[in-house]
Amino acid sequence: DIQMTQSPSSLSASVGDRVTITCRASQSISTYLNWYQQKSGKAPKFLIYAASSLQSGVPSRFSGSGSGTDFSLTISSLQPEDFGTYYCQQSYSIPWTFGQGTKVEIK
Amino acid sequence: QVQLQQSGPGLVRPSQTLSLTCAISGDSVSSNSASWNWIRQSPSRGLEWLAGTYYTSRWYNDYAVSVKSRISINPDTSKNQFSLQLNSVTPEDTAVYYCARRGCSGGRCFYDYWGQGTLVTVSS
Repeated sequence: DIQMTQSPSSLSASVGDRVTITCRASQSISTYLNWYQQKSGKAPKFLIYAASSLQSGVPSRFSGSGSGTDFSLTISSLQPEDFGTYYCQQSYSIPWTFGQGTKVEIK
Repeated sequence: QVQLQQSGPGLVRPSQTLSLTCAISGDSVSSNSASWNWIRQSPSRGLEWLAGTYYTSRWYNDYAVSVKSRISINPDTSKNQFSLQLNSVTPEDTAVYYCARRGCSGGRCFYDYWGQGTLVTVSS
């Protein structure tokens, strides 16, 4: 199975800050990389696919980049509603696997 | 708008069978462009895909190796839903279980719709 490793495991930032989360795959996955946001007690919400394509309705302050083994999710100007845990997930090979998550807290 | 509504018990005794159902609205379990999946989440295992079912001329089921010997996923076209059965459960199967649709765009696929989640506790 492909292992996905995220860093940091948690971060605290202020409203308006630029925030970047990284995700590394244990082998090359091209751009078969998706991002999700999860709030406490809720199901994950789909944000980005193919490493950099924004799902319809997702605010443009979210962006993704990367290919091969190294990826990142950036929030250009953190908003209060952006708190939660973010997960990367590879769709390159079955079984699809997730990172362990990055918890974003608002200062 | 696709909606997934989960149902099933929140407490299962050890060695018994965990059974959950996911009712679909806004799409069809027989859709040629989607698959229907079960994913669980626990502090120890994180988010873990368990099983998926999809229809392209016939039904296909995929299972995670970790649970393959004791899991079953079944589509029900008459009720437009699919179900999960996990046999011989242990406390390690305690988790929040989600159903999710795998959709695709431009040849790339993702879990775009999720059920509300069901916390299943395995305990005597």
